[in-house]
Amino acid sequence: EIVMTQSPATLSVSPGERATLSCRASQSVSNDLAWYQQKPGQAPRLLIYSASTRATGIPARFSGSGSGTEFTLSISSLQSEDFAVYYCQQYNNWPPYTFGQGTKLEIK
Amino acid sequence: EVQLVQSGPEVKKPGESLKIACRGSGYIFSSYWIGWVRQMPGKGLEWMGSIYPADSDTRYSPSFQGQVTISADKSIGTAYLQWNSLQASDTAMYYCARRSTYHDYWGQGTLVTVSS
Repeated sequence: EIVMTQSPATLSVSPGERATLSCRASQSVSNDLAWYQQKPGQAPRLLIYSASTRATGIPARFSGSGSGTEFTLSISSLQSEDFAVYYCQQYNNWPPYTFGQGTKLEIK
Repeated sequence: EVQLVQSGPEVKKPGESLKIACRGSGYIFSSYWIGWVRQMPGKGLEWMGSIYPADSDTRYSPSFQGQVTISADKSIGTAYLQWNSLQASDTAMYYCARRSTYHDYWGQGTLVTVSS
């Protein structure tokens, strides 16, 4: 089973600033990596797939990068609606699909 | 418009059985895997298993194999998650999600509460 590790667990950033979230895989997943956003009381929403492709309707301030075992989600100029929990997920080797434990992005 | 609509919240007692549903619309239901994801209170996302409705090919996470049953009825565009004997530790939100290769569309979630 591929283990996904996200860091940090909590990230405090001021509105308008940039946030950088990390995700590491225990073995290579190529670029088969997705990022999801989850707000309280809501289902997860797909943000990024194939490590760097934005899903339909996702603003350009969200960007993903990386391949192999190291991945990054960047959010430029944070808006109030961006404060949420973010999960990475690998889909290279399944079953099982595996998620990271999540990074909570909170307002500083 | 692709939509996954899940059945409503459930309150059950330990030892009871339960089957929750996820109905897909706006796409060819049989052509996409449907997965189930558990989220325990205050915790992260855990993939439980997936089914391909066209032929009912089903894959489970080792953590959930034997604990739940995933099924689908392609004639009515609905996938199911079933327990034979619930435990308090099954209390969680359960999401279904359509799988392209990643999970692109999600249901709204079904809250299952198991309490005596």
